[in-house]
Amino acid sequence: EAGVTQSPTHLIKTRGQQATLRCSPISGHTSVYWYQQALGLGLQFLLWYDEGEERNRGNFPPRFSGRQFPNYSSELNVNALELEDSALYLCASSFEGLSNQPQHFGDGTRLSIL
Amino acid sequence: RKEVEQDPGPFNVPEGATVAFNCTYSNSASQSFFWYRQDCRKEPKLLMSVYSSGNEDGRFTAQLNRASQYISLLIRDSKLSDSATYLCVFGTGANNLFFGTGTRLTVIP
Repeated sequence: EAGVTQSPTHLIKTRGQQATLRCSPISGHTSVYWYQQALGLGLQFLLWYDEGEERNRGNFPPRFSGRQFPNYSSELNVNALELEDSALYLCASSFEGLSNQPQHFGDGTRLSIL
Repeated sequence: RKEVEQDPGPFNVPEGATVAFNCTYSNSASQSFFWYRQDCRKEPKLLMSVYSSGNEDGRFTAQLNRASQYISLLIRDSKLSDSATYLCVFGTGANNLFFGTGTRLTVIP
């Protein structure tokens, strides 16, 4: 069974640009989550999508947005990039949008802002 | 007060040792509990869920203490391959998951 896949592996941008990160969940999983893991910090919850709808978002500004497609894959968009956006962005998926369902993570996209 | 408090370590233990980590949570509405393992520059991977009655998976034992609001992870007979960062995770329903910052374990030959 294929795991969660993310692309690209690495992304280099400059301040003010826009970044798009992509995620494909495990087959059969309908919920997709996005997290930011900055150096030295824990995983910070960004967004949760289930059945194509945004269900919850973390404490991040509106320039962090995303969407989920009918095939349950997802995009994370970050506009007006700032230096502090440099981090590993992890996508996870779960079978259902229930907190008792463990989440399975992709390898992440490492975003570097120059 | 942080949602999740976890000792960052590092814990340096010799092979074969037994090591235990605790993780406390502040939200009494927490309903689900997990331990994840994250290797350096890799994604977190589910190690085990934590059940109310406690549960064991080989050398790993997880326990939940609701009264004191903490979970623990015990690793027996440590192997070199156990070296990693261990993340505790709590869920409060509505799919709000809170991650600890991780406890770094190094097993020394």
